[in-house]
Amino acid sequence: AQSVTQLDSHVSVSEGTPVLLRCNYSSSYSPSLFWYVQHPNKGLQLLLKYTSAATLVKGINGFEAEFKKSETSFHLTKPSAHMSDAAEYFCVVSEGFQKLVFGTGTRLLVSP
Amino acid sequence: GAGVSQSPSNKVTEKGKDVELRCDPISGHTALYWYRQSLGQGLEFLIYFQGNSAPDKSGLPSDRFSAERTGGSVSTLTIQRTQQEDSAVYLCASSPGGYSGNTIYFGEGSWLTVV
Repeated sequence: AQSVTQLDSHVSVSEGTPVLLRCNYSSSYSPSLFWYVQHPNKGLQLLLKYTSAATLVKGINGFEAEFKKSETSFHLTKPSAHMSDAAEYFCVVSEGFQKLVFGTGTRLLVSP
Repeated sequence: GAGVSQSPSNKVTEKGKDVELRCDPISGHTALYWYRQSLGQGLEFLIYFQGNSAPDKSGLPSDRFSAERTGGSVSTLTIQRTQQEDSAVYLCASSPGGYSGNTIYFGEGSWLTVV
């Protein structure tokens, strides 16, 4: 069965510094991988997805993620954090009929 | 509509009462999902519809939970004899369906509080 592990429950950065949110996955087949963001009291918004095309995926708001099969990783990065990036981020894996399996989430805190 | 619409956005109910949560998916999306987000539990899959049929109900936590979808569109999640542990945000999502790489779009959720 597929699963994802988000290695950090909280990440704190200063505005203008790089962001790294780590995700490792386990999957029997070629997975589809997603990052979703959830702002307080809001729904989930798709940041980006990997579906076996280019291994470096660019998403919205300057985020990108690299699929590394050898490391079973799909880490999310952004070169420069903005205050509005403060939110909960979920790494998600999907197989077959799109049953999404969510990681436990990483809360990103951005300080001025 | 433009996105996935859920109602009610907030519901407070007494323990033992039944509740119905409604989801309007994006027009034309054949796949529809229900998830539950609880404090300390993360996001749990409940049920998946393709059209009006539910090939995967494996996430429904008990027989008090049921869901239906009619006309390949609107879905209702029903919780009978609610318990305090049912308090959570119930998220509906839809996608064009079929392919595991399809983008899945989420609604803003129905916040259920059982008192």
